[in-house]
Amino acid sequence: DQQVKQNSPSLSVQEGRISILNCDYTNSMFDYFLWYKKYPAEGPTFLISISSIKDKNEDGRFTVFLNKSAKHLSLHIVPSQPGDSAVYFCAASAGGGTALIFGKGTTLSVSS
Amino acid sequence: ETGVTQTPRHLVMGMTNKKSLKCEQHLGHNAMYWYKQSAKKPLELMFVYSLEERVENNSVPSRFSPECPNSSHLFLHLHTLQPEDSALYLCASSQDGAADPADTQYFGPGTRLTVL
Repeated sequence: DQQVKQNSPSLSVQEGRISILNCDYTNSMFDYFLWYKKYPAEGPTFLISISSIKDKNEDGRFTVFLNKSAKHLSLHIVPSQPGDSAVYFCAASAGGGTALIFGKGTTLSVSS
Repeated sequence: ETGVTQTPRHLVMGMTNKKSLKCEQHLGHNAMYWYKQSAKKPLELMFVYSLEERVENNSVPSRFSPECPNSSHLFLHLHTLQPEDSALYLCASSQDGAADPADTQYFGPGTRLTVL
């Protein structure tokens, strides 16, 4: 059973608008969450992370929100740019020597 | 070369072949990882090496055999694979290892493996 779920396989957004990518998890032991971005023919690259002691972390156009009671996190990209078109993976860790658990990814397409 | 490199980028092999995937990191990191990404599935961790010692083996079949001769190089030796092993194999490295989830992993571009 998947512990990290990205239920939307794809998302299309117009340039300049907000992109919201969602991720749900089932393991209440997860205490650290990350987003990775992947372009075709390249490996995933780290984008932003959040610890479970926070509910928001912001880095430029990217903001991650964590709702622990709902076991839900989201990545907001605003304003969206065509260069943001990629696959976005959500990942989670229970900390202290445990592996990252990844979701299946959401393909974001930003049109100009 | 910078970052994490993987060779070959594409590999087609028969079920009776023996081949190896190579990963090299130029970041001075101490931990290296092999992941598998099958179609429509999440990335799955296969192996973790920290300071050249294997610290995690995620119930991977013995037809996959990792080797870490030093902290910069990681190999995945393949032998008598099955068609269902066809996938993207990604290598990653991080500074200190899997003990700290905040230790960012840097990925290579992957090897696209097809088993006929």
